[in-house]
Amino acid sequence: QVQLVQSGAEVKKPGASVKVSCKASGYTFTNYAIHWVRQAPGQRLEWMGWINAGNGNTKYSQKFQGRVTITRATSASTANMELSSLTSEDTAVYYCARAYDSSGYYSDFGYWGQGTLVTVSS
Amino acid sequence: EIVLTQSPDFQSVTPKEKVTITCRASQSIGNNLHWYQQKPDQSPKLLIKYASQSISGVPSRFSGSGSGTDFTLTINSLEAEDAAAYYCHQSSSLPLTFGGGTKVEIK
Repeated sequence: QVQLVQSGAEVKKPGASVKVSCKASGYTFTNYAIHWVRQAPGQRLEWMGWINAGNGNTKYSQKFQGRVTITRATSASTANMELSSLTSEDTAVYYCARAYDSSGYYSDFGYWGQGTLVTVSS
Repeated sequence: EIVLTQSPDFQSVTPKEKVTITCRASQSIGNNLHWYQQKPDQSPKLLIKYASQSISGVPSRFSGSGSGTDFTLTINSLEAEDAAAYYCHQSSSLPLTFGGGTKVEIK
């Protein structure tokens, strides 16, 4: 069965960077894109970007362009999301997600990681 | 950016009642609209994809309809376990966006 397992909660100071990992299992990692979505307290879900797990191509939301980097390690079936220059407004739960059965980028999110809470506080 | 507006924001419903949640897109998105259920401290769960396509394992009381700019999620005969927040999501164009959510409470 498809599983996405994320790394644990993080506490960071303003100005720092955070890296969240997402380990995939139960399918051929390179056949699907991995997306990153975050949910800040009281805010709607927010798409951050995707990575083509096969060739490593990425696409980021303009809102996060320049601050977010999504990478993957195919040998470990893992995708990573790094967010820099953190502020208190980046306090959120960060999710990785994959399409239900589409190999395209413009898709639903049929599978989700368990979420990683990132807290930014001085 | 395509803005998705959900209504209502909150609904208090008795068991076995029918629930209807709407999602309106700021421009036409074809059928590229998906629905999720999220319970407290859980990840979102896909209920309906591409406006009306059912998902294996999701109870048949959940259904979706619509195209273009107006979409509906219907829960027939609400059960206590359906207490949750519901979100729509468009995958028509970047950035991918979500609705603001509808919280369904059981009376």
